[in-house]
Amino acid sequence: NAGVMQNPRHLVRRRGQEARLRCSPMKGHSHVYWYRQLPEEGLKFMVYLQKENIIDESGMPKERFSAEFPKEGPSILRIQQVVRGDSAAYFCASSPPRGRKNIQYFGAGTRLSVL
Amino acid sequence: RKEVEQDPGPFNVPEGATVAFNCTYSNSASQSFFWYRQDCRKEPKLLMSVYSSGNEDGRFTAQLNRASQYISLLIRDSKLSDSATYLCVVPSPGGYNKLIFGAGTRLAVHP
Repeated sequence: NAGVMQNPRHLVRRRGQEARLRCSPMKGHSHVYWYRQLPEEGLKFMVYLQKENIIDESGMPKERFSAEFPKEGPSILRIQQVVRGDSAAYFCASSPPRGRKNIQYFGAGTRLSVL
Repeated sequence: RKEVEQDPGPFNVPEGATVAFNCTYSNSASQSFFWYRQDCRKEPKLLMSVYSSGNEDGRFTAQLNRASQYISLLIRDSKLSDSATYLCVVPSPGGYNKLIFGAGTRLAVHP
């Protein structure tokens, strides 16, 4: 049973470009979460999605950031017109549809570097 | 006051030592708590869940004090492989499964 898969593991973008981060949840998991970790800081919640629905996006910046979890395929976190301050590790987590939903399993993360 | 606060450390201890970390949380309505472990530049991994007064798993013991709103993690007989950052995590009681992370406590175990 593969864990949460994220790709790419490392992504380099120049200022103004777009970044697309992908996350495939664990098999059988229908809840996906995105977190951001700035250097030397803790993880910060960004968004919680279920298939085709955004449930909670209270941690998403108001502009340039969007997320989706389509019926088929991975969840995508999209950052438009990246700036240096977007450089961080972006972690995706998933949890099953029933049981102790608060337990979340994390992927290895995507490290975004903006030049 | 931060929602979840931890002493950043680092805690430098010799192998075999017992070490304890504390974590305080601000929302008294929180019901469940977690300790995750994060190695350098890796993803957080669940170490322990705490749903009542405490939990024990081998060398690791977590305790919850609801009245004082703090959670502790005790590691006995420290191993070199225990060196990592330990994250105190509290689900947002408002629902929607949002996890609130502390900034982490760094532990370095030396020979």
